[in-house]
Amino acid sequence: QSVLTQPPSASGTPGQRVTISCSGSSSNIGSNYVYWYQHLPGTAPKVLIFRNNQRPSGVPDRFSGSKSGTSASLAITGLRSEDEADYYCAAWDDTLSGHVVFGGGTKLTVL
Amino acid sequence: QVQLVESGGGVVQPGGSLRLSCAASGFPFSPYAMHWVRQTPGKGLQWVSAISHDGANKYYADSVKGRFSISRDDSKSTLYLQMSSLTIDDTAVYYCARDNGHWSPYYWGQGSLVIVSS
Repeated sequence: QSVLTQPPSASGTPGQRVTISCSGSSSNIGSNYVYWYQHLPGTAPKVLIFRNNQRPSGVPDRFSGSKSGTSASLAITGLRSEDEADYYCAAWDDTLSGHVVFGGGTKLTVL
Repeated sequence: QVQLVESGGGVVQPGGSLRLSCAASGFPFSPYAMHWVRQTPGKGLQWVSAISHDGANKYYADSVKGRFSISRDDSKSTLYLQMSSLTIDDTAVYYCARDNGHWSPYYWGQGSLVIVSS
């Protein structure tokens, strides 16, 4: 069972807006930055959002992140077929002398 | 550009040992903390370990504490993960990742498959 809670699946049609939630606690999301990753099978995970809401260069502005208290969310607008992938949130956790915690992942299906 | 190339994966028997390496290029290695993250079959990403830029601080997931050891050789721009007392549950693709200053993986390698099987 993952420390951060994500819905196991999400779906949308091309052009739609989809959001993926990530729920944590005061020791992780509540006090540290949230990162979001996109992972396609057989490839290296790719960071989509860092420091809660920052996009690396090259990541389309269709992807956005937000954080409030101990929860965060990833929004994808103008959904495209190539967005079909697994999405993970992560954050540093201050307990147990420190460690990174991940969400269980959300499988996004573009219908 | 940032490149991280893992090696050393393979098939090992339960109770055995294996050392993974991660060769880094395209950036100055010494200023950055580094991570190992794994993905077990059919499951999500699981953080394994991290090491500070100077090697002074090392962090481990509870599931590997006491069995795995992370280290780095800045002269070779290489990260290591020494794994011992391996169990079937350690079967996974192991990814090396570079930090970006806030103790979370940023750039990732392609991964190295470790299979623990008798």
